[in-house]
Amino acid sequence: QQQVKQSPQSLIVQKGGISIINCAYENTAFDYFPWYQQFPGKGPALLIAIRPDVSEKKEGRFTISFNKSAKQFSLHIMDSQPGDSATYFCAALSGVNTGFQKLVFGTGTRLLVSP
Amino acid sequence: NAGVTQTPKFRVLKTGQSMTLLCAQDMNHEYMYWYRQDPGMGLRLIHYSVGEGTTAKGEVPDGYNVSRLKKQNFLLGLESAAPSQTSVYFCASTPRSAGELFFGEGSRLTVL
Repeated sequence: QQQVKQSPQSLIVQKGGISIINCAYENTAFDYFPWYQQFPGKGPALLIAIRPDVSEKKEGRFTISFNKSAKQFSLHIMDSQPGDSATYFCAALSGVNTGFQKLVFGTGTRLLVSP
Repeated sequence: NAGVTQTPKFRVLKTGQSMTLLCAQDMNHEYMYWYRQDPGMGLRLIHYSVGEGTTAKGEVPDGYNVSRLKKQNFLLGLESAAPSQTSVYFCASTPRSAGELFFGEGSRLTVL
């Protein structure tokens, strides 16, 4: 059972275009939603994160949009560059009431930005 | 600082063999995790530790054991490897409960 559903599985975008990756969740106890970026042969690294009390967070060309009522959040990459080509994972933090919190990851989106 | 270091980076095993993956972090983090990454499955938590001497099961713990005898090290063991354990394994650590995880570069394991 996938607690965080991510789409699309892969994405090809022209240089300068907008990349959009979507995630949806069911557990209303999630209260922290990070995105991780992974380059081939490397481990994932935190890219940007949002808490559900805000609807949008922007860091440079990367923006998270969050819709609490729809239980959906998305990553937008503006002016996409070939260097953005990587696998992106959305995640959600669970376990607030158990005293230990662990991340649940989506299945990943492989982004290719063509020159 | 090296951050999170995993050894070995690559390993090929035969079914039934045993092995141990070592994760070492030099950031004095309390929490450490082992994930496996498979195509189309994302990252799934195998085991985790909230401190030296403590371990707990994650989503997919069957077939694996772990130990955290020292704060900086987290070992993942396979007692009898199976082809279903062919995967890329990632270790991660954090100074507090989840949030930003710091990952190693992964260990690619193939079980024939």
